[in-house]
Amino acid sequence: AQTVTQSQPEMSVQEAETVTLSCTYDTSESDYYLFWYKQPPSRQMILVIRQEAYKQQNATENRFSVNFQKAAKSFSLKISDSQLGDAAMYFCAYRSGSNFGNEKLTFGTGTRLTIIP
Amino acid sequence: EAGVAQSPRYKIIEKRQSVAFWCNPISGHATLYWYQQILGQGPKLLIQFQNNGVVDDSQLPKDRFSAERLKGVDSTLKIQPAKLEDSAVYLCASSLVWGNEQYFGPGTRLTVT
Repeated sequence: AQTVTQSQPEMSVQEAETVTLSCTYDTSESDYYLFWYKQPPSRQMILVIRQEAYKQQNATENRFSVNFQKAAKSFSLKISDSQLGDAAMYFCAYRSGSNFGNEKLTFGTGTRLTIIP
Repeated sequence: EAGVAQSPRYKIIEKRQSVAFWCNPISGHATLYWYQQILGQGPKLLIQFQNNGVVDDSQLPKDRFSAERLKGVDSTLKIQPAKLEDSAVYLCASSLVWGNEQYFGPGTRLTVT
């Protein structure tokens, strides 16, 4: 079974600075997807960024980028120019890429990000 | 495009009572998921529907939880009887087809006293 580990329960960063959230995962599959989701106090999970395992290039979405290290099974999220609206719980998630009926998301335990004005 | 709708947003019940949650996915989305998120944890899949058929319910406690998706659109998740450990946020998500991005609703926070 796949597992996702987020070892930082809480992180804080000064507004406009850069912060990196860590995630490691364990799988024996070669075809899979990795995601970072943001969950503000409203509870709605919002997709921040996704990475296909077969792609060597790291995904980027505006101020958000990932460092995907497939061999090390590491998938960190970098947030540049942090803004107050970035404050939320951030979840790393894994999804199998190969099997119909097995596209459930497996989530880590989350990292609470606080932005300091 | 309207998002995934869920109701109620909050529910407080006593143990051994029953409760039902409702989810309306994004129009046209064939796949629907129910996740349980216990405080301090990430969401865990309870059940996945493809249209009105169950694809994966391996993590659903079938002695007390049930779910259905009538006509392949709306879905209800029921707990009967509820236990204290069922206190959690219940998230519904939908995706257009297999493999596409999952869109989440705002969730229902259940408190069992």
